[in-house]
Amino acid sequence: DAGITQSPRHKVTETGTPVTLRCHQTENHRYMYWYRQDPGHGLRLIHYSYGVKDTDKGEVSDGYSVSRSKTEDFLLTLESATSSQTSVYFCAISEFVGAGYGYTFGSGTRLTVV
Amino acid sequence: KQEVTQIPAALSVPEGENLVLNCSFTDSAIYNLQWFRQDPGKGLTSLLLIQSSQREQTSGRLNASLDKSSGRSTLYIAASQPGDSATYLCAVNNNDMRFGAGTRLTVKP
Repeated sequence: DAGITQSPRHKVTETGTPVTLRCHQTENHRYMYWYRQDPGHGLRLIHYSYGVKDTDKGEVSDGYSVSRSKTEDFLLTLESATSSQTSVYFCAISEFVGAGYGYTFGSGTRLTVV
Repeated sequence: KQEVTQIPAALSVPEGENLVLNCSFTDSAIYNLQWFRQDPGKGLTSLLLIQSSQREQTSGRLNASLDKSSGRSTLYIAASQPGDSATYLCAVNNNDMRFGAGTRLTVKP
């Protein structure tokens, strides 16, 4: 997890409230990703960023928005949290997209929506 | 859409045994394939990255192979130890990383 931190590590929130998760990197990597991990579904891509202010949707983007105002920070926002968004959220970074470039993951944020 | 499958879903072996984990994928137009380890309640730790032009990569007791044309990769673990107990995830990268559901490995002392 060196060079990539997620905050908070754990959060419990009520249905209907907004929630923002933060991913911070010190590697100066161009690409950043948000995944969620759920039993029976594995890891699924929510949104990704390919540069400051450049973002795009992933496989399961409904109900989520993202922002990247600085290279080092990628924020994931649940505008109005629902119980179906209870999950473990992982941030990942990659220097570039290409054969020689893999992903590095953060430690995750466990979010519970009650 | 890329589909990634890992077999078996769970595996239990005695300490010292050599073992093979399997990963298959449907779209062979990939940049690379990455094997990760995940301990319970923890994040993903990268084990090996195999580029699309490579056939295998080795790190210590781990060896990963890639047959892109047939859409298969294997992770070989030699002389397994209880500390190897974890879930092993295969991920395939063609513009975005797609993950298999993982193989949960238990190595019994």
